[in-house]
Amino acid sequence: NAGVTQTPKFRVLKTGQSMTLLCAQDMNHEYMYWYRQDPGMGLRLIHYSVGEGTTAKGEVPDGYNVSRLKKQNFLLGLESAAPSQTSVYFCASSYSFADRSTEAFFGQGTRLTVV
Amino acid sequence: KNQVEQSPQSLIILEGKNCTLQCNYTVSPFSNLRWYKQDTGRGPVSLTIMTFSENTKSNGRYTATLDADTKQSSLHITASQLSDSASYICVVSSSFSGGYNKLIFGAGTRLAVHP
Repeated sequence: NAGVTQTPKFRVLKTGQSMTLLCAQDMNHEYMYWYRQDPGMGLRLIHYSVGEGTTAKGEVPDGYNVSRLKKQNFLLGLESAAPSQTSVYFCASSYSFADRSTEAFFGQGTRLTVV
Repeated sequence: KNQVEQSPQSLIILEGKNCTLQCNYTVSPFSNLRWYKQDTGRGPVSLTIMTFSENTKSNGRYTATLDADTKQSSLHITASQLSDSASYICVVSSSFSGGYNKLIFGAGTRLAVHP
């Protein structure tokens, strides 16, 4: 069982370059999320999706774009990378969040460094 | 402001000993509280989920408690093992318009279990 898979695991970018992070889940979940994790801080929500073809902004959306063209995939794009975007990025998915017992499953993370 | 505060920031214990991690939150409205374990270089994995009406919940050697009146939670680890070395993250779920829940993450407690 793959669960939530993120690609790539590591990446170094130069300031101004663009890249796309891919998240794939094989659990048929409706909800998908992108978070960033910075030292000394809790995970912060960048963007999320409540179903195929939908996206919405989270806490820290500036500088990022997302797309959910297929239910199983959620892409996070950086159009012009900045050093402030150096972070570890986590994708997560869940069946729903309306139910109290619904689990959120996380990928293994992508460590991105912008120099 | 919705916040989740965890203490201590880090903790070192000897194998076989017990420990308790603390979580205080100022989140409203409250939906549920979750504890996650995050191994180094991996994504968070859920340990427990508790709603307003649940005071305690166990998962093997992990026992979480919740006092909704004082907005405090604790995670007790019994008979610690080397594999318990990880960050433990307290997460409070808050419902907002549309029926979607927002997860508010604490910064985590880094636990090191030494032989």
